[in-house]
Amino acid sequence: GAVVSQHPSRVICKSGTSVKIECRSLDFQATTMFWYRQFPKQSLMLMATSNEGSKATYEQGVEKDKFLINHASLTLSTLTVTSAHPEDSSFYICSPLGGDGAKNIQYFGAGTRLSVL
Amino acid sequence: GNSVTQMEGPVTLSEEAFLTINCTYTATGYPSLFWYVQYPGEGLQLLLKATKADDKGSNKGFEATYRKETTSFHLEKGSVQVSDSAVYFCALSDRGYIPTFGRGTSLIVHP
Repeated sequence: GAVVSQHPSRVICKSGTSVKIECRSLDFQATTMFWYRQFPKQSLMLMATSNEGSKATYEQGVEKDKFLINHASLTLSTLTVTSAHPEDSSFYICSPLGGDGAKNIQYFGAGTRLSVL
Repeated sequence: GNSVTQMEGPVTLSEEAFLTINCTYTATGYPSLFWYVQYPGEGLQLLLKATKADDKGSNKGFEATYRKETTSFHLEKGSVQVSDSAVYFCALSDRGYIPTFGRGTSLIVHP
């Protein structure tokens, strides 16, 4: 099956610092990337959708200046949490869309657990 | 808006026990319904899906039936194994490839 590499799996940072999360599709090209966030005991919530080479589309209530998404290539997307605060502590999951049109399949990374002190 | 409600875990069972994880949904229109599984340290994987009422999705001994009248999509397996220990997510989609997820239910199977 398709392989998705999300790194790091866990990060602890101080309040005010920025954290970058990488998501790579290792054996397929992803024209579309979804980023999700999951708070403890809550559902996965879609944060944003990005297409390669275009600006990301953010869901309502998600600050685009705080959660910077870069999707510069078909195999790499990054999510940067800028000036992180404790309320940003969460589980972040990338989800590349792979396939060839009619057979598109949504894959998922293993997630990144961010803890902001 | 759309929403998915699934039973809280963890669900703890002995090997070979019968499994049911309840899932109900709220949606406008006729969404597709999914069950995803996340094994420790791995990403979510699609386990099964159903795209219309009365459809039954099945995979690896798991099955779920799309019940429009009760807006439910309960996951069942007749005999669980230790290797089934994972987190299970119920989800729906009426926007193509952007599912709405439930909170996830952790399943722990003891030998």
